[in-house]
Amino acid sequence: DTEVTQTPKHLVMGMTNKKSLKCEQHMGHRAMYWYKQKAKKPPELMFVYSYEKLSINESVPSRFSPECPNSSLLNLHLHALQPEDSALYLCASSQDGGPSRGAFFGQGTRLTVV
Amino acid sequence: QKEVEQNSGPLSVPEGAIASLNCTYSDRGSQSFFWYRQYSGKSPELIMFIYSNGDKEDGRFTAQLNKASQYVSLLIRDSQPSDSATYLCAVNRGGGSQGNLIFGKGTKLSVKP
Repeated sequence: DTEVTQTPKHLVMGMTNKKSLKCEQHMGHRAMYWYKQKAKKPPELMFVYSYEKLSINESVPSRFSPECPNSSLLNLHLHALQPEDSALYLCASSQDGGPSRGAFFGQGTRLTVV
Repeated sequence: QKEVEQNSGPLSVPEGAIASLNCTYSDRGSQSFFWYRQYSGKSPELIMFIYSNGDKEDGRFTAQLNKASQYVSLLIRDSQPSDSATYLCAVNRGGGSQGNLIFGKGTKLSVKP
């Protein structure tokens, strides 16, 4: 199994809603990531979890709250988002340590904030 | 501030031709380099990675790295219409996390039948 699975694929939420994005991988990777990609822009790193601990937060607003329940799962909790937060949210995983072999991305959650 | 630069294109090549995609990076200490392919509306897919100066071949794809010039390229031989996509160059930002990447803005490739 070489997949990173994200749910849901599409999400529409109001600015007062609370929702969660979910990500699962079974490649034995110990690092997991959230990236955000706006239209016609490259992916931008939001958070890095290494061995289930948050190691990098790229100054992301607190309305985005990550959680790593175990080494296979990664969640992104959303609350009080703004329309400009509408984007493709990508989960990725990788080995940790050693020469980088890059990140493997899930299919993404396309989020629309109304 | 580490940066990765790509020509945004579009790059248009006829079917069967060689497509050449280029990328430069600003951090001379960068060690690992990647090419991702992204179809419209889909997520990025890793197609090549390279660490050492020189060429690395995988099927129709060849990645080239020149650390002295801080330059990475991707050659696609015998281009097919199915290769039409945006190609993202990425560099590992270090710090131990393999997937901690900074991406270029991508080059849109169009292969005409």
